[in-house]
Amino acid sequence: GENVEQHPSTLSVQEGDSAVIKCTYSDSASNYFPWYKQELGKRPQLIIDIRSNVGEKKDQRIAVTLNKTAKHFSLHITETQPEDSAVYFCAARGHTGGFKTIFGAGTRLFVKA
Amino acid sequence: DGGITQSPKYLFRKEGQNVTLSCEQNLNHDAMYWYRQDPGQGLRLIYYSQIVNDFQKGDIAEGYSVSREKKESFPLTVTSAQKNPTAFYLCASSVGTNNEQFFGPGTRLTVL
Repeated sequence: GENVEQHPSTLSVQEGDSAVIKCTYSDSASNYFPWYKQELGKRPQLIIDIRSNVGEKKDQRIAVTLNKTAKHFSLHITETQPEDSAVYFCAARGHTGGFKTIFGAGTRLFVKA
Repeated sequence: DGGITQSPKYLFRKEGQNVTLSCEQNLNHDAMYWYRQDPGQGLRLIYYSQIVNDFQKGDIAEGYSVSREKKESFPLTVTSAQKNPTAFYLCASSVGTNNEQFFGPGTRLTVL
């Protein structure tokens, strides 16, 4: 079935450094790739998303890149701050299997002050 | 954080009992979803519904049931057939299936 792999599972960076989280997907028909941030005990919230007709999207300190040929996409956070500490999930939505959104296993990001 | 609500926040169940988790949204979204989240794992899809009176099984539907009689409501029943039901359950909704999903605050179910 469809699968989304996410790496690393844990990431620790120093405040001000950049963080990169990578995901690969298996369904070549996937066309929508959201990223969610989940703080401890709270609900996941969308931070950025990208559709298959673009290769990169940026929103302030957050950017996402998509390589459809290689079937991978990445989240880039620059100038990290302690409040960026959370679990980040990537996801891919495709047509196979009825328009399901498949989530990665998550990356726990620690930003050290 | 209004728009999509879940109740209760915490739920305790004895083995062999069925329990129903509530999910309501006032966002006028057509699509609704139920996910299960276990510690250290991602979100796994239990059921989803693209329109009223229609729903589809996700990846881990066994032991669960849903209904979608109203656009605003998508309750999930955890039956006694679900062998390991202790988890955090998240409901979500979206305008369509190719758009941002808005999540509810979640229900933490514990089987005693």
